[in-house]
Amino acid sequence: RKEVEQDPGPFNVPEGATVAFNCTYSNSASQSFFWYRQDCRKEPKLLMSVYSSGNEDGRFTAQLNRASQYISLLIRDSKLSDSATYLCVVRGTSYGKLTFGQGTILTVHP
Amino acid sequence: EAGVTQFPSHSVIEKGQTVTLRCDPISGHDNLYWYRRVMGKEIKFLLHFVKESKQDESGMPNNRFLAERTGGTYSTLKVQPAELEDSGVYFCASSHLTSGGYEQYFGPGTRLTVT
Repeated sequence: RKEVEQDPGPFNVPEGATVAFNCTYSNSASQSFFWYRQDCRKEPKLLMSVYSSGNEDGRFTAQLNRASQYISLLIRDSKLSDSATYLCVVRGTSYGKLTFGQGTILTVHP
Repeated sequence: EAGVTQFPSHSVIEKGQTVTLRCDPISGHDNLYWYRRVMGKEIKFLLHFVKESKQDESGMPNNRFLAERTGGTYSTLKVQPAELEDSGVYFCASSHLTSGGYEQYFGPGTRLTVT
């Protein structure tokens, strides 16, 4: 079983749509959780951290359920520029090491 | 502030040859990480330096891979001899020590093709 599992998609949505991504992780001792964004042939960039209380950054909302070992990302009012691969990332007990999911591909079309 | 830089951006070598990848972290960042993405797979951790010391090298695939960070600044990752399965994108990331490695900033990657 993979340490971090994501639905690879692809998700194809029209502009203005709301889209949700889900992710599960296997290591219950994991400490920190993130969503990264990766554009085609580019490096991953931190989109947002994920907290148990849930957090929001503009059109983006992230949620963490430690009991279910489940992470989600909600994007509202999708823009063309949101098209990218979204990576669910977990930091475990090992200091600093990030564990990545395979990524979910999102394409927003006009 | 300059970001993480990596050299070369692309490398094509034949099986059995040697390749050395270089990473220059953000100035002042004591944590330096190497990751790799093989085609069709997720990005995987290779190793972690704190300054010049190897903190965690649990992700290094085998002894054909040698990472160094002399002086605690830039790092090199040498593959010798290269095999076909070493092809992929090698990312370097860095973070500030006192932030507990909170945000890792990634370089643009080196795309390695072994033929």
